[in-house]
Amino acid sequence: DVKVTQSSRYLVKRTGEKVFLECVQDMDHENMFWYRQDPGLGLRLIYFSYDVKMKEKGDIPEGYSVSREKKERFSLILESASTNQTSMYLCASSGGLASSNEQFFGPGTRLTVL
Amino acid sequence: GQNIDQPTEMTATEGAIVQINCTYQTSGFNGLFWYQQHAGEAPTFLSYNVLDGLEEKGRFSSFLSRSKGYSYLLLKELQMKDSASYLCAVRDQTGGSYIPTFGRGTSLIVHP
Repeated sequence: DVKVTQSSRYLVKRTGEKVFLECVQDMDHENMFWYRQDPGLGLRLIYFSYDVKMKEKGDIPEGYSVSREKKERFSLILESASTNQTSMYLCASSGGLASSNEQFFGPGTRLTVL
Repeated sequence: GQNIDQPTEMTATEGAIVQINCTYQTSGFNGLFWYQQHAGEAPTFLSYNVLDGLEEKGRFSSFLSRSKGYSYLLLKELQMKDSASYLCAVRDQTGGSYIPTFGRGTSLIVHP
């Protein structure tokens, strides 16, 4: 059974804290993605990675950074958390992009920044 | 980028048929995905269309018309468990990105 796991389901942090969200996939996928999902706004892409140590900005990268040191792991970092980063964060992975390969999503991390 | 439109919310009756539409504008269309997302859960893949026509998979079917920038997801014999959000995602190959962009989702409520 294929799986994408995220380190926490719920997280509460204070403004200014550094926050790490971890994502691991066991499907040997090249591509990994971080999204945030907010009511009325849908899924918005923060960053994606198509290979180890490679990263590309998505639509809303401001205030975030990422790290991909190993193929199976993709980390999202909030250098200094702010209240407007309170959201649901979803990680996903997929095989080759120019194909029918769908994305597999993790269960999400609901982050609250106080 | 893409401009993807879906209705925000739809309601339907158990046992009925419902059609969820998705329209898009893109210069380099390279495939359209539908995902289902139950409240508090991760999205899960339903269907993929890249050529015009209807793809059927059990109670769910997905249709694509590339010339019209239009797709729909058809759900037959609705069940209460079909109450969920349905996400349309369009892939654009412009610039070699191939990253799907998601619509805002359609919340479907199925009532007895």
